[in-house]
Amino acid sequence: DADVTQTPRNRITKTGKRIMLECSQTKGHDRMYWYRQDPGLGLRLIYYSFDVKDINKGEISDGYSVSRQAQAKFSLSLESAIPNQTALYFCATSERQSREQFFGPGTRLTVL
Amino acid sequence: DAKTTQPPSMDCAEGRAANLPCNHSTISGNEYVYWYRQIHSQGPQYIIHGLKNNETNEMASLIITEDRKSSTLILPHATLRDTAVYYCIVSPPRDSGGSNYKLTFGKGTLLTVNP
Repeated sequence: DADVTQTPRNRITKTGKRIMLECSQTKGHDRMYWYRQDPGLGLRLIYYSFDVKDINKGEISDGYSVSRQAQAKFSLSLESAIPNQTALYFCATSERQSREQFFGPGTRLTVL
Repeated sequence: DAKTTQPPSMDCAEGRAANLPCNHSTISGNEYVYWYRQIHSQGPQYIIHGLKNNETNEMASLIITEDRKSSTLILPHATLRDTAVYYCIVSPPRDSGGSNYKLTFGKGTLLTVNP
């Protein structure tokens, strides 16, 4: 079974809709991250969470919000989706004392 | 964080060694070099990391120059499944204080392993 899972894997939505992407992990890691990747580019950090009560903005947080419901769950929301949020979204986890991040399989989001 | 420079693409014959270079001339004394790879549209995968000494694991070897301004990731016997984008990342030591959590992914090197 995958240690880091993301749902949905693919989503097509329309401009203005609210979308939630979910991430769950069974690794027992404290830290969780949300990244987006645009074609031909590297990953950019949206939000990160060091524990349930510690959530921080990354480099491109505008237009996104997150919720850390439990140690194992970290959700990313687009309150009002727009076409330039079309991208591949990755969730990742890490232990507190490590830079090794474990990534989920990704969610491909298309905003029409 | 120190910036890294990698060639945008490289080719390698199957079964041969793949040597992927990375320049990080502004690296600080306490910064580590990390390598990740991303197979087409999958989540990135950790490969290896090092500080000063050369490192080897079941996936690859990492050679860091004595002045630490560059490094080379070596895949000793490349296979078709090694075709991926390889990212070289420089990062402060774990929990060195403040917000030293971050991995900054650039564009990486697309390695194509040919049959």
